[in-house]
Amino acid sequence: GAVVSQHPSRVICKSGTSVKIECRSLDFQATTMFWYRQFPKKSLMLMATSNEGSKATYEQGVEKDKFLINHASLTLSTLTVTSAHPEDSSFYICSAQGGSYYTFGSGTRLTVV
Amino acid sequence: GNSVTQMEGPVTLSEEAFLTINCTYTATGYPSLFWYVQYPGEGLQLLLKATKADDKGSNKGFEATYRKETTSFHLEKGSVQVSDSAVYFCALSGGDYKLSFGAGTTVTVRA
Repeated sequence: GAVVSQHPSRVICKSGTSVKIECRSLDFQATTMFWYRQFPKKSLMLMATSNEGSKATYEQGVEKDKFLINHASLTLSTLTVTSAHPEDSSFYICSAQGGSYYTFGSGTRLTVV
Repeated sequence: GNSVTQMEGPVTLSEEAFLTINCTYTATGYPSLFWYVQYPGEGLQLLLKATKADDKGSNKGFEATYRKETTSFHLEKGSVQVSDSAVYFCALSGGDYKLSFGAGTTVTVRA
């Protein structure tokens, strides 16, 4: 079946630094990638939608300059959390759409100290 | 806009008990409906889906039927196991392909 590889699975970074999260679709071309954030014991909040070769579309309230999304190819999308702060600590999950189905990455637990 | 409302739980059951998680939705047009499962520390996995009214999605003993008349997609399993302990999310996808999720229901199955 379709697989999306998300790395890293866990990352701890110092406040003020930037962290890059990668999502790769391994056996299909992802026309669209979605990035979600999940707070503890809460549902997923859509942050942005990206299409290959074009700028990402951010949901209301999500800072595009803080959460940089790049979708350079049909198999790779990256989310960079810039100048991270403790309130950015969360579980980030990507989802790739290929055809009529969605496949999720395994998530990245970001802790900013 | 699209929205999903599901029973929040938490739900605690004994092994072999019957599980139902209610899910209702609001959407324009004809959305596709999904149930996703999230095991501790992992990402979401698709459990089952239905793309049109009266479709029944099924997988691993779980079932859900797309009921347009009641705008519902309730998840059921006749006999749960400890390994079914997880968080379950109901979701829908409309014409823009974005997924809207319910709040998630934590299910704990005790031996």
